[in-house]
Amino acid sequence: GAVVSQHPSRVICKSGTSVKIECRSLDFQATTMFWYRQFPKKSLMLMATSNEGSKATYEQGVEKDKFLINHASLTLSTLTVTSAHPEDSSFYICSARLAGNPNTGELFFGEGSRLTVL
Amino acid sequence: EDQVTQSPEALRLQEGESSSLNCSYTVSGLRGLFWYRQDPGKGPEFLFTLYSAGEEKEKERLKATLTKKESFLHITAPKPEDSATYLCAVQAKGYQKVTFGTGTKLQVIP
Repeated sequence: GAVVSQHPSRVICKSGTSVKIECRSLDFQATTMFWYRQFPKKSLMLMATSNEGSKATYEQGVEKDKFLINHASLTLSTLTVTSAHPEDSSFYICSARLAGNPNTGELFFGEGSRLTVL
Repeated sequence: EDQVTQSPEALRLQEGESSSLNCSYTVSGLRGLFWYRQDPGKGPEFLFTLYSAGEEKEKERLKATLTKKESFLHITAPKPEDSATYLCAVQAKGYQKVTFGTGTKLQVIP
């Protein structure tokens, strides 16, 4: 099956530093990747849609200068949380859809990254 | 705006005790309704896609059904390994965005 690898799984950083999270599709090409944020007992909140070779599309209320997304290749997208603050602490999850299915909602998710900002 | 409401928020079952999870949705033209399973501290795992009212899908002890306003995930004779949070999501026609519900946390007790 389609495998999405996300790294790191856990990261702790000091307030004011930047953190990069990588999302890789291991056995398929993903023209579109999605970044979600999940709070306890809350639904997955879509932050942005990342298309290979173009700028990411951010959801309303998500600061694009704070959450930098790069989708440099068909198998790699990165999320950089810049100048992180405690309120950015959360569970971040990436997902991807198969390149041959541009419109399907069938998504393959990474394992998630737990960010804790001290 | 697309909305997905799942109930109950949590469900505790004895092993072998069948039950159903509910997903109510509003969307401007449904392209697909999706069920995912999420284990603690992990990303969701895709289970089913349903496209139109009346459609049913099955996988082992799970069966998903769809009407014009809601979907049900039936769990027959559950086992402890079925314990997880089950997420429902919808996608509107013409849009890439997938909107998720808050999930039902299922616990199956031996």
